[in-house]
Amino acid sequence: AQKVTQAQTEISVVEKEDVTLDCVYETRDTTYYLFWYKQPPSGELVFLIRRNSFDEQNEISGRYSWNFQKSTSSFNFTITASQVVDSAVYFCALRGNNNDMRFGAGTRLTVKP
Amino acid sequence: GAVVSQHPSWVICKSGTSVKIECRSLDFQATTMFWYRQFPKQSLMLMATSNEGSKATYEQGVEKDKFLINHASLTLSTLTVTSAHPEDSSFYICSAREPSLGGYTFGSGTRLTVV
Repeated sequence: AQKVTQAQTEISVVEKEDVTLDCVYETRDTTYYLFWYKQPPSGELVFLIRRNSFDEQNEISGRYSWNFQKSTSSFNFTITASQVVDSAVYFCALRGNNNDMRFGAGTRLTVKP
Repeated sequence: GAVVSQHPSWVICKSGTSVKIECRSLDFQATTMFWYRQFPKQSLMLMATSNEGSKATYEQGVEKDKFLINHASLTLSTLTVTSAHPEDSSFYICSAREPSLGGYTFGSGTRLTVV
């Protein structure tokens, strides 16, 4: 069975603070993919990153960075110098061998000015 | 890039009527599409996997006769909510896998309100 846990339901920060969103996953597949999506109030899902299970290199994209640790089955997402426009619900997701994607419960991030 | 178009973006219908939601892959062929449902302030829950030319695979607890899925071509999957009830009101999102990129593209979602 595949499972994604995002323990933080809601996070509130003040603009320019750094914030880390946690994601822990469970899978028995040896090959799998991990994703992060952003869902603004409008509802559409915005793709942020995909990581395959063989690539543990951390990635940085502008103010966004991701830390993939297979040893702890975690794929955490950090936003540096947060901005009000970062306010959204963020989902971590896992895709295994069966090709369907399982989502975590989501973390609602509010960035206050 | 891979684009998935979902239509309509929102719909209001009366209880007992049926509503069809379309999901189209615009610039690629998708043999497999996925339908998700998202209740307010909740996560996306996979409802079913739509396979072109064959029957959809439904997740446990999803009524096949209520949520009819048809994947008649490589670019179109439809979800029909039959005999809709207020509890079916939700946000429905489809996604498709773009084979060459290996990624998943999501439609913009359909907000269904049953009154």
